[in-house]
Amino acid sequence: KAGVTQTPRYLIKTRGQQVTLSCSPISGHRSVSWYQQTPGQGLQFLFEYFSETQRNKGNFPGRFSGRQFSNSRSEMNVSTLELGDSALYLCASSSHGESTDTQYFGPGTRLTVL
Amino acid sequence: AQKVTQAQTEISVVEKEDVTLDCVYETRDTTYYLFWYKQPPSGELVFLIRRNSFDEQNEISGRYSWNFQKSTSSFNFTITASQVVDSAVYFCALSEANRFNAGGTSYGKLTFGQGTILTVHP
Repeated sequence: KAGVTQTPRYLIKTRGQQVTLSCSPISGHRSVSWYQQTPGQGLQFLFEYFSETQRNKGNFPGRFSGRQFSNSRSEMNVSTLELGDSALYLCASSSHGESTDTQYFGPGTRLTVL
Repeated sequence: AQKVTQAQTEISVVEKEDVTLDCVYETRDTTYYLFWYKQPPSGELVFLIRRNSFDEQNEISGRYSWNFQKSTSSFNFTITASQVVDSAVYFCALSEANRFNAGGTSYGKLTFGQGTILTVHP
C-alpha cells in the first residue's frame, strides 16, 4: 500500500505571497491532520479533516486554512506569508482520526519564506 | 491541557551501547494513547509503537523495548546494542480520547514532546 504523499517537497516563497500544499493519504484513510515543525516550537498541530469537514483546529492564525476533497486528499493554504512561516509541514493520515488510530506521516513539505 | 516532556535534548553514544530515551506526560484524561515516532534526516516521521493507558505491559520488538509506568506518567524507550542507523530524532506523543467539551474535540491531534536527537557513533 502506498504511503502518505505530499507535494511539493520543497518550496521557496517571499513574504506576502500565498502557498498551497497538497497531501494524499493512505488509500482507505479518511482523516488527514496537518502539523507544522519548526526548530523553536517543535511539532504543532494545525488542523484535522474528515469527510471534507474540519473537526479540529490548533492555535494558529486565520492565515492558515485547509480543505479536504471527496477522495480524502487534502490541501492547506497559508496566505500573506511571514518569515516565521518557514517550516516543515507534515501531513498525517489515519483511518478515522480517532485517538485509537495510528497516524502515518508523509515526507513533509519544506517551506522557506524569504 | 496535555503535555509531553522529553528532557533529553541530545544523546550521543557509541555503537553497541544501550540507550534509553525518557518521556514524561501530563493529561487529565483516564483514557489516552502514547506513541513513539522516529524522524530520520529525510524528515518523515516513522511510527514505532502505540500504547493505550490501560495496558502497562512492557513491550519488546527486536532491539527496541518500551517501559510504560502510569504511576510516574512515563513511557520510556530503550534501544539495545545501538547501531549507526538508529541515529535520528525520536519523538514521544500523546493522544487523548475524543470528547466534546467547551475546548473542542481532540480528533486527529497528537501532542508531541520536543524530541531527542540520538547520535550513534561507529
